[in-house]
Amino acid sequence: EEQLVQSGAEVKKPGESLTISCKGSGYSFTSYWINWVRQMPGKGLEWMGRINPSDSYTNYNPSFQGHVTISVDKSTGTAHLQWSSLKASDTAMYYCAREASGDYRFDPWGQGTLVTVSS
Amino acid sequence: QSALTQPASVSGSPGQSITISCTGTSRDVGTYDLVSWYQQHPGKAPKVMIYQGNKRPSGASTRFSGSKSGNTASLTISGLQAEDEADYYCCSYAGRNTYVFGSGTKVTVL
Repeated sequence: EEQLVQSGAEVKKPGESLTISCKGSGYSFTSYWINWVRQMPGKGLEWMGRINPSDSYTNYNPSFQGHVTISVDKSTGTAHLQWSSLKASDTAMYYCAREASGDYRFDPWGQGTLVTVSS
Repeated sequence: QSALTQPASVSGSPGQSITISCTGTSRDVGTYDLVSWYQQHPGKAPKVMIYQGNKRPSGASTRFSGSKSGNTASLTISGLQAEDEADYYCCSYAGRNTYVFGSGTKVTVL
């Protein structure tokens, strides 16, 4: 089964750093982009950015660029979303989703990682 | 990069057809035939129902169909069923290797 499995929920304080992960299995990890999508509590979906695991090329939503970093470890088939200094407003569910080049759809999605930032 | 505009809610009775609109601009929906639609049940990850405007993924219900006119894309659900009650989001390619999602629509089956 082709799937993405995300790391578990996190509770952090403002100013702390954090990295969450998304591991692909059942398919060729380097053949598909990995996208990250934010969903704040009770709100809609927001596209954050994506990475091409074959060469680590990234694209970011300007609204998120500079505040998060998307990276990948080809050896483990895992993509990462990283914050160096969390804010309370980063509290949200974060999803990763696979995208085939030229397909323009996100499928499948990971189960989501809930990040809570509170003092 | 502003969110695409969707109605907050749409409702219908079982067996009826409903249509959800998704209005963008000439920089996204109007230029690219690359709108996808996602269904999200409470507490679950989204699931693609339509992509590239009107294509259905394998295994997706044929009761879902997509279309576009100008800057507005639409998702139609025919033969509404109780299991269709969920949130629906459109998403458009917006050029320069970026995407933009819609504001989301809550579908209620009466």
